[in-house]
Amino acid sequence: EAQVTQNPRYLITVTGKKLTVTCSQNMNHEYMSWYRQDPGLGLRQIYYSMNVEVTDKGDVPEGYKVSRKEKRNFPLILESPSPNQTSLYFCASSFVGQPDGELFFGEGSRLTVL
Amino acid sequence: AQTVTQSQPEMSVQEAETVTLSCTYDTSESDYYLFWYKQPPSRQMILVIRQEAYKQQNATENRFSVNFQKAAKSFSLKISDSQLGDAAMYFCAYEGGAGSYQLTFGKGTKLSVIP
Repeated sequence: EAQVTQNPRYLITVTGKKLTVTCSQNMNHEYMSWYRQDPGLGLRQIYYSMNVEVTDKGDVPEGYKVSRKEKRNFPLILESPSPNQTSLYFCASSFVGQPDGELFFGEGSRLTVL
Repeated sequence: AQTVTQSQPEMSVQEAETVTLSCTYDTSESDYYLFWYKQPPSRQMILVIRQEAYKQQNATENRFSVNFQKAAKSFSLKISDSQLGDAAMYFCAYEGGAGSYQLTFGKGTKLSVIP
């Protein structure tokens, strides 16, 4: 089954404790991206990657890191989480060159930073 | 930078009736794509419908259709014969053309369906 898988789905952590949210897709997509969703703000892009070893900042990259060492994986790293990073996070992927640009989303990861 | 505006934070519709969700956007590009995504309580983001800006014909997908007014930069979603399963957050999204792959989302409209 074609899917984007995120882990963990739920996480409660404390300020300053490094954490990683993993994202994996099995569709051989070149493009992958991370969004955060906050009430009243919609989805905002954090980082994206056009292919292996190619990453770039989105609209709200502060406090986050990413890496793209393999085509299928695109982990989101919070080196020193803060309460303002409490949010719902989505990973998404698509083919590069696909004209309709449809994104396939993971099921979301609810992160709470105390 | 592109912006996407959904002016209706919440809407409600009677089951079997028709509802229209509004979306406007700002761009200087001539080639782009527009999308409506649905997010039910399960939180999964589901593509409802897409529209290519170069196509004058409005996209339709079963009970879902759009009214795309390129000059007015308007992209509304019409849901006909509303069903209880249509209750969700709906997000309008913009993607620039020429291989942009960057989606800009509106803030969403919460749709309730009244039995």
